[in-house]
Amino acid sequence: DTGVSQDPRHKITKRGQNVTFRCDPISEHNRLYWYRQTLGQGPEFLTYFQNEAQLEKSRLLSDRFSAERPKGSFSTLEIQRTEQGDSAMYLCASSLGWGVGKNIQYFGAGTRLSVL
Amino acid sequence: GQNIDQPTEMTATEGAIVQINCTYQTSGFNGLFWYQQHAGEAPTFLSYNVLDGLEEKGRFSSFLSRSKGYSYLLLKELQMKDSASYLCAVRRNTNAGKSTFGDGTTLTVKP
Repeated sequence: DTGVSQDPRHKITKRGQNVTFRCDPISEHNRLYWYRQTLGQGPEFLTYFQNEAQLEKSRLLSDRFSAERPKGSFSTLEIQRTEQGDSAMYLCASSLGWGVGKNIQYFGAGTRLSVL
Repeated sequence: GQNIDQPTEMTATEGAIVQINCTYQTSGFNGLFWYQQHAGEAPTFLSYNVLDGLEEKGRFSSFLSRSKGYSYLLLKELQMKDSASYLCAVRRNTNAGKSTFGDGTTLTVKP
C-alpha cells in the first residue's frame, strides 16, 4: 500500500492554458474524490467516482473542469482556459467504499496550481 | 447545506492537554471525521465518530454529541510535532460519501 499519489506536485501555468492532474488511489479503493483547498480554508468537494462512474459534481465545478476515471483506477482532472482564481491546492482522496470502516478517505499530498 | 464552525487558532504548551471544538448544522448526519494537516501536506485521518460518545486512540480522543451538533478533539501530552491544522469534516447520509470540511483550527504548540 503506497498511499494516494498525485502528479505533479506543483504546476505553474499562464492564464488561459490547460492543465491536467493525475491521481493514483490506493489499490482496491473503489471511491475517488477530488477536492480543492485554498489557504486558510478546508478542502472543498469537487467531484467523486465510484469505480469509473462519476456520480456527483459540485456546483463549484464549472464547465472548464472535467474529471475522468476511465478504468476505475487512476483519475485525471483537467482545467481548461485556466484563470487566476483557479490557483489552489487540488487534493485527491480515495476510500474503500461506503459502509462504516470503509468510508475513511485517505488523501494524497495534492497538486499546487499557480496561475500567473 | 452544512455549517461547520471551528476556532481559527489555538495555542498550547508542550506536555499540556488541548480541546478543539467543532459545531455543525446538517440534515441527515452520517458521521464526523477529524483530520490533521501539516502545512503543505495532505490531511491525514485521525478519528471517526458516528455514534454519541468518546473514541480514544492513544494521545488523541474525539467526542460526539449528535443532539447538540457538537464534537471535540482532545490532544493529550502535546508534542511540538502536533503543531498543525485540525480539520473537522461532516458527512451526510447520501450515497456520495463526500465530506464537508470546516476551515480548520491551527494549533501552535509552544515549548
